[in-house]
Amino acid sequence: GAGVSQTPSNKVTEKGKYVELRCDPISGHTALYWYRQSLGQGPEFLIYFQGTGAADDSGLPNDRFFAVRPEGSVSTLKIQRTERGDSAVYLCASSQAGGAYEQYFGPGTRLTVT
Amino acid sequence: GIQVEQSPPDLILQEGANSTLRCNFSDSVNNLQWFHQNPWGQLINLFYIPSGTKQNGRLSATTVATERYSLLYISSSQTTDSGVYFCAVDEYSGYALNFGKGTSLLVTP
Repeated sequence: GAGVSQTPSNKVTEKGKYVELRCDPISGHTALYWYRQSLGQGPEFLIYFQGTGAADDSGLPNDRFFAVRPEGSVSTLKIQRTERGDSAVYLCASSQAGGAYEQYFGPGTRLTVT
Repeated sequence: GIQVEQSPPDLILQEGANSTLRCNFSDSVNNLQWFHQNPWGQLINLFYIPSGTKQNGRLSATTVATERYSLLYISSSQTTDSGVYFCAVDEYSGYALNFGKGTSLLVTP
């Protein structure tokens, strides 16, 4: 079946602008995660959804970052007033449920803030 | 939070050689996964292995949960094995994966 998909694959924006990144998880997966990967580092956790609710948003760096999953499937990561330090690859993952289940990652969105 | 250390950080092999990558973690885990990140950035699942031993073709992995480490074995390496290998774990009461810094592998012809 189809894997996790993310759009756009690349996004270039100017400092101060608003961006939205989309994630479409594997069908039937109730758990969805967002991670951020900077150059030369491993991915870092941002937020976890179980169904429609954000079960853990402790990894969001500040209040400029927000994510939603209104129908328990597709999720959107929203970044307001972008800064150059937000430049990174944003990865989405999904799993059958939260906890001890294998996570599957999408191809990522490369965000560049100029 | 849980700490994940991977070694070696970098590895260069000639095609056909074998290698062992190590992952140490600092606490009990619910989930342990090995990934290969290819040159295009895609994270490819290799193993879901919170304990025990698994094999898939030329790759195998062993996790000794009581001693808090996992090993990834690559045999008869090929140039397509090049990339970064990540170990990731989640804490026993958690769900978010904590990644190590990775092992960067280059296999030369």
